[in-house]
Amino acid sequence: QKEVEQDPGPLSVPEGAIVSLNCTYSNSAFQYFMWYRQYSRKGPELLMYTYSSGNKEDGRFTAQVDKSSKYISLFIRDSQPSDSATYLCAPRESGYSTLTFGKGTMLLVSP
Amino acid sequence: DAGVTQSPTHLIKTRGQQVTLRCSPISGHKSVSWYQQVLGQGPQFIFQYYEKEERGRGNFPDRFSARQFPNYSSELNVNALLLGDSALYLCASSLGQGEQPQHFGDGTRLSIL
Repeated sequence: QKEVEQDPGPLSVPEGAIVSLNCTYSNSAFQYFMWYRQYSRKGPELLMYTYSSGNKEDGRFTAQVDKSSKYISLFIRDSQPSDSATYLCAPRESGYSTLTFGKGTMLLVSP
Repeated sequence: DAGVTQSPTHLIKTRGQQVTLRCSPISGHKSVSWYQQVLGQGPQFIFQYYEKEERGRGNFPDRFSARQFPNYSSELNVNALLLGDSALYLCASSLGQGEQPQHFGDGTRLSIL
């Protein structure tokens, strides 16, 4: 079992849809949970950064962490064509900067 | 403020050659990490440096080495290049070694012929 798993997609949705991107992990020592967005031929861009279980909202984006089930979600409201990208979840342990990435989920938002 | 900058943007090498990639962190950031991203995969950790010392190393062969300079910039060196080393090499910087999030550059795309 890989440490971090994501469905690679692609996930295709119409503009304005609510998108749910998910990630599971196996390492119970993970305490910090990052979501990065990566456009083609670009580096990952930090979207959300949460600690432990719970929800965090930033504009159209909501990150949700359930440590009991080792399940991470990113919700995007009112999705836009500019949201079309690959979304990477990247948890890490406390005290360490090293990120463990999933493969990423490709999202395609059509106008 | 400038983000993480990496050079060169693209590089083509042949098998057996050596390559040096460079990274300048965000101003004020003291930690630099290197990741390798193969097409269709997430980034995989190679090295972390903090205050010019190696603080972490991923599961990569000794052909990979790195260093951090007094101005916190960093170089990644890869010797005896193999076809499988073709990838996007990403540099990320953070304020310190611990809890702060990492911010990535746009990477160096390395192609091995």
